[in-house]
Amino acid sequence: EIVLTQSPGTLSLSPGERATLSCRASQGLYTSYLAWYQQKPGQAPRLLIYGASSRATGIPDRFSGSGSGTDFTLTISRLEPEDFAMYYCQQYGSLATFGQGTNVEIK
Amino acid sequence: QVQLQESGPGLVKPSETLSLTCTVSGGSIRSATSFWSWVRQPAGKAPEWIGRIYTTGTTNYNPSFKSRVTISLDASRNQFSLMLTSVTAADTAVYYCAREVRVAVAVGYLDNWGQGTLVTVSA
Repeated sequence: EIVLTQSPGTLSLSPGERATLSCRASQGLYTSYLAWYQQKPGQAPRLLIYGASSRATGIPDRFSGSGSGTDFTLTISRLEPEDFAMYYCQQYGSLATFGQGTNVEIK
Repeated sequence: QVQLQESGPGLVKPSETLSLTCTVSGGSIRSATSFWSWVRQPAGKAPEWIGRIYTTGTTNYNPSFKSRVTISLDASRNQFSLMLTSVTAADTAVYYCAREVRVAVAVGYLDNWGQGTLVTVSA
């Protein structure tokens, strides 16, 4: 099983700041089969990024994904109030597993 | 836009079988470019992928569930279902059905989710 480790566990930032979230895989991901999801309380996760760097339909361009192999990053260039939420990475090249999440909270 | 809606009992007794159905609208469960999946999320924890089914009936399951899980589909009703046997309190979670965009054999990312349904395992 591929294990995903996200860091940090919690990120405390102010609106307008840049957020950088990390996801590390226990083994290299074939063809960068890595996705990022945003989840707010009481809601289902929402797809942000797939294929490590492709934005899903309707996702603002302040969200960007990068990385390959074992190290991946989600960047939010300027945090908007609605961006404060939990973020999960997921690999889908070997069945599917999720990271434990990063909580982006208002400082 | 595909929409998914879970239905089923919100309370299941220990050792019994959890059964949920997902109704798909706005798209066909026969689509060659989709997988149909179940994901669960215990309170305060990360999502956990349970498994998927393809229009051909081919399934893939998370090994963590061993032989307890079965996913099936009913194309005539545009529905797919989850059965999880021998449940315990550890199976208490919000259960989501979701559509995976198929990018290769047994490879897909989750782009549409149902709203989720809480299933509690308790006597």
